[in-house]
Amino acid sequence: DTGVSQDPRHKITKRGQNVTFRCDPISEHNRLYWYRQTLGQGPEFLTYFQNEAQLEKSRLLSDRFSAERPKGSFSTLEIQRTEQGDSAMYLCASSLAGGPNGGELFFGEGSRLTVL
Amino acid sequence: AQSVAQPEDQVNVAEGNPLTVKCTYSVSGNPYLFWYVQYPNRGLQFLLKYITGDNLVKGSYGFEAEFNKSQTSFHLKKPSALVSDSALYFCAVRGSGNTPLVFGKGTRLSVIA
Repeated sequence: DTGVSQDPRHKITKRGQNVTFRCDPISEHNRLYWYRQTLGQGPEFLTYFQNEAQLEKSRLLSDRFSAERPKGSFSTLEIQRTEQGDSAMYLCASSLAGGPNGGELFFGEGSRLTVL
Repeated sequence: AQSVAQPEDQVNVAEGNPLTVKCTYSVSGNPYLFWYVQYPNRGLQFLLKYITGDNLVKGSYGFEAEFNKSQTSFHLKKPSALVSDSALYFCAVRGSGNTPLVFGKGTRLSVIA
């Protein structure tokens, strides 16, 4: 399977715990994005990387959220001191910058977080 | 700032009838427009895009969309709906440069046999 993969697919945690999600993009893609989706809403942009550089962060991304892409391949999204409002589907997507496809994003199946 | 509006939360259509899912957008400069579909417990799947060229673009599963610059719209269409088209549809837009895709709230399409 050469698509975008995310792990874990589901995570249930207690409020105040830390959680980490991993995303493995399509191998030749240099851009990697994190989005968050809650019930009844479209995906909301959180942050993105080009190679290992984090180029933009949304105001939605509080100080409790941190994302890394240390070698320009896989990425991790960590949420510290989780709150019930963090419950959502966390989507990862990748794309090829500068190509003719207009920046089409390829999405993984998401990591669903439930904070009790 | 860029934005997308999908004015209908739900669209119901009978199988075999044509369907339209509406989308309007706001962006600085030339728009890059996309439609994605989401089936239950699945990630978003790309349907089609408009970058430049013909205003009518064709995509996967028989879907097409028409770009209308004067109305800033990019409505999704299909001549004959299938029950299997029932899903959540998202319109998305970005401007030029490194701006990320901005998504609408989604429209749930229900095709009734």
